[in-house]
Amino acid sequence: ELKVEQNPLFLSMQEGKNYTIYCNYSTTSDRLYWYRQDPGKSLESLFVLLSNGAVKQEGRLMASLDTKARLSTLHITAAVHDLSATYFCAVDHEGDGSARQLTFGSGTQLTVLP
Amino acid sequence: DSGVTQTPKHLITATGQRVTLRCSPRSGDLSVYWYQQSLDQGLQFLIQYYNGEERAKGNILERFSAQQFPDLHSELNLSSLELGDSALYFCASSFSGSRRTQYFGPGTRLTVL
Repeated sequence: ELKVEQNPLFLSMQEGKNYTIYCNYSTTSDRLYWYRQDPGKSLESLFVLLSNGAVKQEGRLMASLDTKARLSTLHITAAVHDLSATYFCAVDHEGDGSARQLTFGSGTQLTVLP
Repeated sequence: DSGVTQTPKHLITATGQRVTLRCSPRSGDLSVYWYQQSLDQGLQFLIQYYNGEERAKGNILERFSAQQFPDLHSELNLSSLELGDSALYFCASSFSGSRRTQYFGPGTRLTVL
């Protein structure tokens, strides 16, 4: 069974600081997604990483993928309060019956403190 | 706003009952996915339909079923409800059957009393 592990699960950081969220997964995959969820809201797509070595950046967030290490990172630069949310990684993989599906990590709840 | 719509937003019902959740995908999207989000299980994939046909099944209970209609909207039917079925149910859609970004709807919060 595929395991997708995010750490940390909870992260409090001060405004202006940098931090990295890690997403490890246990199967072969060359496609990984990052989503953001605000409390009580839906999931918003942030990044799709399509191959080994892929790096995507949007504002203060940068995501990368290392398919050999089965690891993706989401790096936060100079955090601001608006980044407070829960961040999920999701791994695209072959499920039962060979259809592809996404398996999500547990999420990292990020709180940015003033 | 992702363009995916779900109704109702909230649903409160009793154990043993049956409910139907509805989802309309983004214009042009052929695939619909259903997910369950709860505190103890996290975000779990339930089932996917592509252009009216079941494409993939995840951790969907036998008490649950879904279908996708010719106009591409989808319904998730939950029956013999138990307290543990209380959760947020999301629908997502994508253009093709696989390997495309899934766009999530606002969700239906189900409370079983």
